[in-house]
Amino acid sequence: AQSVTQLGSHVSVSEGALVLLRCNYSSSVPPYLFWYVQYPNQGLQLLLKYTSAATLVKGINGFEAEFKKSETSFHLTKPSAHMSDAAEYFCAVSSGTYKYIFGTGTRLKVLA
Amino acid sequence: EAGVAQSPRYKIIEKRQSVAFWCNPISGHATLYWYQQILGQGPKLLIQFQNNGVVDDSQLPKDRFSAERLKGVDSTLKIQPAKLEDSAVYLCASSLDSPASGSHEQFFGPGTRLTVL
Repeated sequence: AQSVTQLGSHVSVSEGALVLLRCNYSSSVPPYLFWYVQYPNQGLQLLLKYTSAATLVKGINGFEAEFKKSETSFHLTKPSAHMSDAAEYFCAVSSGTYKYIFGTGTRLKVLA
Repeated sequence: EAGVAQSPRYKIIEKRQSVAFWCNPISGHATLYWYQQILGQGPKLLIQFQNNGVVDDSQLPKDRFSAERLKGVDSTLKIQPAKLEDSAVYLCASSLDSPASGSHEQFFGPGTRLTVL
């Protein structure tokens, strides 16, 4: 069975500071991993995805994530937070059936 | 390229009433998903269609929820009768999902926010 754990339901950072959102997964098969962002009253938008190619994945808006098999992690980072990054972020894992299992989400707050 | 369309965007009903949501996926996408997102939680898959066949409906409360995807294109999700705990955002997503594409990427619509009073 697959599962996703996102540590920290709320994260606050100062504008310009490093953003680190944590995601750990469990999967019995090589996983596909995703980070999605959700702004208020909107659907989910793909930030980046890992599909067994490069372990360091670059996404939109300056975000990147590193797949670490030994740690079963796929943490999302951004070197410098911007006010527009305030949103909810979801990590998801998928197997060969294309079905996603989502984490519970992390709400990012950016302080001026 | 047009995205996933959903309607209505908002719906308020009384408990025990019925409600229906509509989704039109991205053209050419074979797989369509309905998710339920309760406030403060991640999306939970309700049902997955491959063309017009059901792949996974293991988490669909079949006593009150139903979904169909006639002709393998757009889809409707119905709740009858609604309960207070059905208050949530209902998200529709679609994906290309051919073995050749291997992308596994799902594209999401804006969602329908349902409030049951």
